[in-house]
Amino acid sequence: SQKIEQNSEALNIQEGKTATLTCNYTNYSPAYLQWYRQDPGRGPVFLLLIRENEKEKRKERLKVTFDTTLKQSLFHITASQPADSATYLCAPSISSGSARQLTFGSGTQLTVLP
Amino acid sequence: DSGVTQTPKHLITATGQRVTLRCSPRSGDLSVYWYQQSLDQGLQFLIQYYNGEERAKGNILERFSAQQFPDLHSELNLSSLELGDSALYFCASSVESGGWYEQYFGPGTRLTVT
Repeated sequence: SQKIEQNSEALNIQEGKTATLTCNYTNYSPAYLQWYRQDPGRGPVFLLLIRENEKEKRKERLKVTFDTTLKQSLFHITASQPADSATYLCAPSISSGSARQLTFGSGTQLTVLP
Repeated sequence: DSGVTQTPKHLITATGQRVTLRCSPRSGDLSVYWYQQSLDQGLQFLIQYYNGEERAKGNILERFSAQQFPDLHSELNLSSLELGDSALYFCASSVESGGWYEQYFGPGTRLTVT
């Protein structure tokens, strides 16, 4: 069955360092992959989308890579700040009938320590 | 503020009861998605509507149903409620249907079944 795995439920890093979050998927080939940020008790917020023919996408301090051979996406936050502390969800898009749907991973909880 | 509104914010009800959750998408968005998020299940896709028609179904129980009205707002009906239905229910919207469109999430409705 289709499966999404995000590395370790929790990740702690020191302020100023680069945080790297991993998303691995098995048994399907998404054409798109999105990353979202979720704060406790709030709805997810869209961050970045990457297509299967794109190797890398950047937005300010954020960078996403998409390796369709490894079936993996990496999400990097450079010069991390305490305000970056949140849960980050990866969401590959899968086919469901005539639509392509997002399936969310369980998330990685990032804590940036001052 | 994503532009997606959900009511009510909190709902406490008893087992066996029926409730209706309401969602208004962002202005101009035609697609509405419903998700359930509980502590042990992560963010689970329930159902999607596009311009009034059901587009895709996820892990939605038979006790649950939804619809999208001509003004594009959507309602999620949950009946014969069980303790396990306690969760955060999110509505999201996107301009069109498809995994390449970012989704905008509402603030959620927290349902507690006692």
